[in-house]
Amino acid sequence: DTEVTQTPKHLVMGMTNKKSLKCEQHMGHRAMYWYKQKAKKPPELMFVYSYEKLSINESVPSRFSPECPNSSLLNLHLHALQPEDSALYLCASSQDWWISGMNTEAFFGQGTRLTVV
Amino acid sequence: AQTVTQSQPEMSVQEAETVTLSCTYDTSESDYYLFWYKQPPSRQMILVIRQEAYKQQNATENRFSVNFQKAAKSFSLKISDSQLGDAAMYFCAYRSPQSNSGGSNYKLTFGKGTLLTVNP
Repeated sequence: DTEVTQTPKHLVMGMTNKKSLKCEQHMGHRAMYWYKQKAKKPPELMFVYSYEKLSINESVPSRFSPECPNSSLLNLHLHALQPEDSALYLCASSQDWWISGMNTEAFFGQGTRLTVV
Repeated sequence: AQTVTQSQPEMSVQEAETVTLSCTYDTSESDYYLFWYKQPPSRQMILVIRQEAYKQQNATENRFSVNFQKAAKSFSLKISDSQLGDAAMYFCAYRSPQSNSGGSNYKLTFGKGTLLTVNP
C-alpha cells in the first residue's frame, strides 16, 4: 500500500466556518506534511510532523491548526479562513531519515480543493 | 538556501517523440537528492524519478531518464516515446540529506514547474 488518502476531495466553507481536512497513510512513514498549492504554482510547505511531533511550522497563520493524533493520521483544522486561503491542500508522507536515508521521496495524496466564500 | 529553477514554463511534444525538460539548482551542499514529480489534472503529485547526488550514474525508469550534471548543477528529464498520459505539470525538486539541523532535510524545494502538452 503506497497510498496517502485525503478527505474530503472538495470543500467549500464560509469565512466563519470551522472545518477539518484529514490525511491517512499506512506505509509506516513517521514524517507527514501539509502543503498548500495555488493554481499553476509549486506546492508550498506549511507543516511537518516527525514522530507525531510538530517539527516545522513555516510561519503559517494560526487560523490553520495541524494535529497528528497518531503515526498514521494527520489533520488540518481550519477556522476563520479568508478567500485568499482557497487552494489545493496536499498531504504527504515519507520515511524518517533515521530509518532510511535512501528512501527519501515523499508520497502525496490527491489533495483537498478548498474554496473559501 | 537552495533554489531550483525550471526555465521552461511550457513545453509540447508530439506523441511518440522525445522531449527534455530542464532543471538547474543552486546549493552549497555536496550531498543531496533530486526528484522529478509529475502532477496530472487529477492533482496527485507522482514521483517520476529520483537521483542521489553521490551517484554518478544517471537514473532511469522505463521511458524516463535524467541527465545529471553535478558540476553544472543541472538535472534534466528526458521522456522518450511520449504518450498522451504523460501530459502534466512536471516539478523538479531538491532535498537535503539527513543532518542534525533539526528537520531541514524534510523540506522539498520545488521549481516553478513545466507544463507538458502531448499532441496526438
